[in-house]
Amino acid sequence: KAGVTQTPRYLIKTRGQQVTLSCSPISGHRSVSWYQQTPGQGLQFLFEYFSETQRNKGNFPGRFSGRQFSNSRSEMNVSTLELGDSALYLCASSLAPPTTHEQFFGPGTRLTVL
Amino acid sequence: AQSVTQLDSQVPVFEEAPVELRCNYSSSVSVYLFWYVQYPNQGLQLLLKYLSGSTLVESINGFEAEFNKSQTSFHLRKPSVHISDTAEYFCAVTTQGGSEKLVFGKGTKLTVNP
Repeated sequence: KAGVTQTPRYLIKTRGQQVTLSCSPISGHRSVSWYQQTPGQGLQFLFEYFSETQRNKGNFPGRFSGRQFSNSRSEMNVSTLELGDSALYLCASSLAPPTTHEQFFGPGTRLTVL
Repeated sequence: AQSVTQLDSQVPVFEEAPVELRCNYSSSVSVYLFWYVQYPNQGLQLLLKYLSGSTLVESINGFEAEFNKSQTSFHLRKPSVHISDTAEYFCAVTTQGGSEKLVFGKGTKLTVNP
């Protein structure tokens, strides 16, 4: 069974641009969550989607948005990029809430903002 | 709100020595507890979890963790480490009956030296 895939793996953007990151969950998984990982703040929750609906949202500005499609694939978008948005963005999938609470993480997308 | 404290940011040990990585959490509601491991340039992998039942949980590669409700702790231990255990370890919690949102500690970098 293929794991969680994230594309692209690496991305370089400049301030003010926008970016879209993609996540394909494990087949059969319907819940997708996104996390931002930085050296200073660690791992922080961005959003969680289930059945195309946002179930939970972290404490991030409105420049961060996401969506989930009917095939459970998810995208997140960051508009008007800032230097501080440089981070590893991780996607995780799980079967469906309530679950065994086991989330499977992708390898991440490394975003660098210049 | 929940919070997780990992008391040691870095733990260097010699191969075949025992190790304990400490984790304390704070929550006003019941939680589930997890340890994840992250190898360089990879996503997170679930190492073990406590949902209910026996307070001592084990992983397939020799790690164990014990849930202590009175001390709000979930320390990770291994009696004899290998070079290949070198990685960053994250303790995390999620609320029972809630979403899949994970709240992570800042991580402990375990370095196993020959």
